[in-house]
Amino acid sequence: DIQMTQSPSTLSASVGDRVTITCRASQSISSWLAWYQQKPGKAPKLLIYRASSLESGVPSRFSGRGSGTEFTLTISSLQPDDSATYYCQHYNGYSGFGQGTKVEIK
Amino acid sequence: EVQLVESGGGLVKPGESLRLSCVVSGITFSNVWMSWVRQAPGKGLEWVGRIKSKTDGGTTDYAAPVKGRFSISRDDSKNTLYLHMNSLETEDTAVYYCLDGGYFDYWGQGIPVTVSS
Repeated sequence: DIQMTQSPSTLSASVGDRVTITCRASQSISSWLAWYQQKPGKAPKLLIYRASSLESGVPSRFSGRGSGTEFTLTISSLQPDDSATYYCQHYNGYSGFGQGTKVEIK
Repeated sequence: EVQLVESGGGLVKPGESLRLSCVVSGITFSNVWMSWVRQAPGKGLEWVGRIKSKTDGGTTDYAAPVKGRFSISRDDSKNTLYLHMNSLETEDTAVYYCLDGGYFDYWGQGIPVTVSS
């Protein structure tokens, strides 16, 4: 099974900061990677698919990069509404999620 | 509009069985691969398993923690996906979501399953 490792597990940043979350796959998944945002008590929301494609309706401050085994999700200017937990997911044959990164606003 | 409506959850005892259903609308159900994902209380997302479309073979794959205990089936005539859960364990307590495709752009409300004595 492919293992997905996210870092950091939690991060605290100020409004306006540039924030980057990393997701590493235990083997190459090409660009078969998605990112989700989840707020407490809600279902996850798709942000990015195929590593770098922005889902319709998602603010342009969110961006994704990477291929192979290393991927990043960047929030260019952190907003209060971005306080949430973020997950990466590979969908290369099987599927699986990273353990999540909790983003807090200072 | 894509809708995924899960049902069949509830409280069961360890070792018992349960079948979840998911009625799908707004897409051509028979053409899509379908997955189940779960989230235990206070924990992260966990992929449970997937069934391919019949045109792609209709085969299933499962995550290690559920392999041999859970099975996924589909009834394309009813636009319905099933998750058959046997030998349930307390660790299976979670909200279960059915989802279409490889990445998941539509999420239902999920259905809670509690396994407790």
